[in-house]
Amino acid sequence: NAGVTQTPKFQVLKTGQSMTLQCAQDMNHEYMSWYRQDPGMGLRLIHYSVGAGITDQGEVPNGYNVSRSTTEDFPLRLLSAAPSQTSVYFCASSYVRGKNGYTFGSGTRLTVV
Amino acid sequence: AQSVTQLDSQVPVFEEAPVELRCNYSSSVSVYLFWYVQYPNQGLQLLLKYLSGSTLVKGINGFEAEFNKSQTSFHLRKPSVHISDTAEYFCAVSAKGGSEKLVFGKGTKLTVNP
Repeated sequence: NAGVTQTPKFQVLKTGQSMTLQCAQDMNHEYMSWYRQDPGMGLRLIHYSVGAGITDQGEVPNGYNVSRSTTEDFPLRLLSAAPSQTSVYFCASSYVRGKNGYTFGSGTRLTVV
Repeated sequence: AQSVTQLDSQVPVFEEAPVELRCNYSSSVSVYLFWYVQYPNQGLQLLLKYLSGSTLVKGINGFEAEFNKSQTSFHLRKPSVHISDTAEYFCAVSAKGGSEKLVFGKGTKLTVNP
């Protein structure tokens, strides 16, 4: 089915470990982004990309890294996990300058112990 | 820059009652406005959007929203809610002609009781 696919769905990390959250879309969307969702905080933008080879920081980029080598994929890397990064992470995509809103993945629930 | 304020963090209602979820935004430029719904343990799904034109926008599942430019509001309404409408609702804004970035409110948790 067309859409945004996130893996894994659940992950437990130890403090200091690194990992990559995967995001892939098959809708040929130019724009992709990563949000984190925390209780009472809504969704906060971590990083975004307007096309392959172009990335930029959002509201809360510290501790995260991204790259965009293809239109389809936009992985999010946690360099050295901290308990403050315990959250639910959502990947979203849309057409650049599009007016149709975002398509969201189903999320990755990350716990850092 | 844009910002969104959702005035109620939680709204409890009884089944078949009407509901209004309030959203106010701030922006120095014209905006697109969106409402998303998140059911438990799921991602976000687009309910409706305002791009231009008629200020009353109809979405899925019987929801509608009205754009009020003078009050910078985009309140979501449903005349009769069902148990299945229990979810968290997010209002979001993006700048017309600008970045694609969506700025979200903090969400309103709607609980429909029997």
